Amino acid sequence: QKEVEQDPGPLSVPEGAIVSLNCTYSNSAFQYFMWYRQYSRKGPELLMYTYSSGNKEDGRFTAQVDKSSKYISLFIRDSQPSDSATYLCAMSSAIQGAQKLVFGQGTRLTINP
Amino acid sequence: NAGVTQTPKFQVLKTGQSMTLQCAQDMNHEYMSWYRQDPGMGLRLIHYSVGAGITDQGEVPNGYNVSRSTTEDFPLRLLSAAPSQTSVYFCASSSPGLETQYFGPGTRLLVL
Repeated sequence: QKEVEQDPGPLSVPEGAIVSLNCTYSNSAFQYFMWYRQYSRKGPELLMYTYSSGNKEDGRFTAQVDKSSKYISLFIRDSQPSDSATYLCAMSSAIQGAQKLVFGQGTRLTINP
Repeated sequence: NAGVTQTPKFQVLKTGQSMTLQCAQDMNHEYMSWYRQDPGMGLRLIHYSVGAGITDQGEVPNGYNVSRSTTEDFPLRLLSAAPSQTSVYFCASSSPGLETQYFGPGTRLLVL
């Protein structure tokens, strides 16, 4: 069993829809939770970062962490065609920090105009 | 700042050939890492370094060597390429206290 599980999709939704992306994990030591966005043939770039549990909002994006369920989510409101990309969740423990991330498989998202 | 740069962008190798993937960063980051990305597998850590002269293995180190003689550079060596090493390779850098790693544009490697 992988430490981090993410539904690879692909996921296709109409423009303006609310998108929900999710990951589950098994390692209770994970404290740092990240969402990366990766456009085709590009490197991943950080979208959202959350430490421990709770919610974090940035514009149209909301990240949620539920450590009791070992479950994290990324919500995209008013989705735009420019949001079409692969979204990767990533996690690390307090000891390992940012240099040793464990990634999910990535979900390929397409927003249709 | 150029950020994280990787060369070459694309490479074709024959089984058994060797090559070095280059990675450089100009942000004075202490941490550097190599990942490979395969369909349905996400990014998997190959090797990482927490400073010049210090390297360690990640999740999938077999078949790869690294060294770090300077803060800026972190090359990845394939000593005898195998078709299973066909992948997209990403280099990343970070520093203590930073919330993220900064990724390079990737090197696409095809081993025939």
